[in-house]
Amino acid sequence: AQKVTQAQTEISVVEKEDVTLDCVYETRDTTYYLFWYKQPPSGELVFLIRRNSFDEQNEISGRYSWNFQKSTSSFNFTITASQVVDSAVYFCALSGDRGSTLGRLYFGRGTQLTVWP
Amino acid sequence: NAGVTQTPKFQVLKTGQSMTLQCAQDMNHNSMYWYRQDPGMGLRLIYYSASEGTTDKGEVPNGYNVSRLNKREFSLRLESAAPSQTSVYFCASSESAGRVGGELFFGEGSRLTVL
Repeated sequence: AQKVTQAQTEISVVEKEDVTLDCVYETRDTTYYLFWYKQPPSGELVFLIRRNSFDEQNEISGRYSWNFQKSTSSFNFTITASQVVDSAVYFCALSGDRGSTLGRLYFGRGTQLTVWP
Repeated sequence: NAGVTQTPKFQVLKTGQSMTLQCAQDMNHNSMYWYRQDPGMGLRLIYYSASEGTTDKGEVPNGYNVSRLNKREFSLRLESAAPSQTSVYFCASSESAGRVGGELFFGEGSRLTVL
């Protein structure tokens, strides 16, 4: 079964602090993909990143970085020098390659990030 | 550049009423999905359609029906609405037709309240 756990329900930081959002996943699939989505207060879901199971290189995009570690089944997301505009709900998701679940995304429950000025 | 379009954006129903949420995508994607989002629960898959002509149940299909009308359109029907179906509904599409890794493109969501 596919499962994504985001243990942090809510995080509050002050602007310019660094913050890490945790994501732990479970899957028995050999090939899988991990995703992060952002949901700002306006409600839409914005795709941030996709990473496949064979690529454990960390990725950096501006103030955002992602740390994928298969050994601990984690795909953590760090925002450096946070800004008020980063306030949103962030979802981690998993897509596997097996049978009836092929191509479907399984989402964690989300982490509400609030950045205070 | 519409992407995924859902209608209506807001709806209030009384218990027992029926309604259909419409979804259309203009990206020529094969797969389409309906999710519901409830506080503290993340997004849960209701139904999906891997390709035109096929539909399958997701995690929480009870009380819902779907129709993949053509490649562009995927509708979600509530035959007899219940207060437990009060939620925000998202339609999504992806290129993937039987392969893993497709990014989902989401509509703006439809907020449904059942009294």
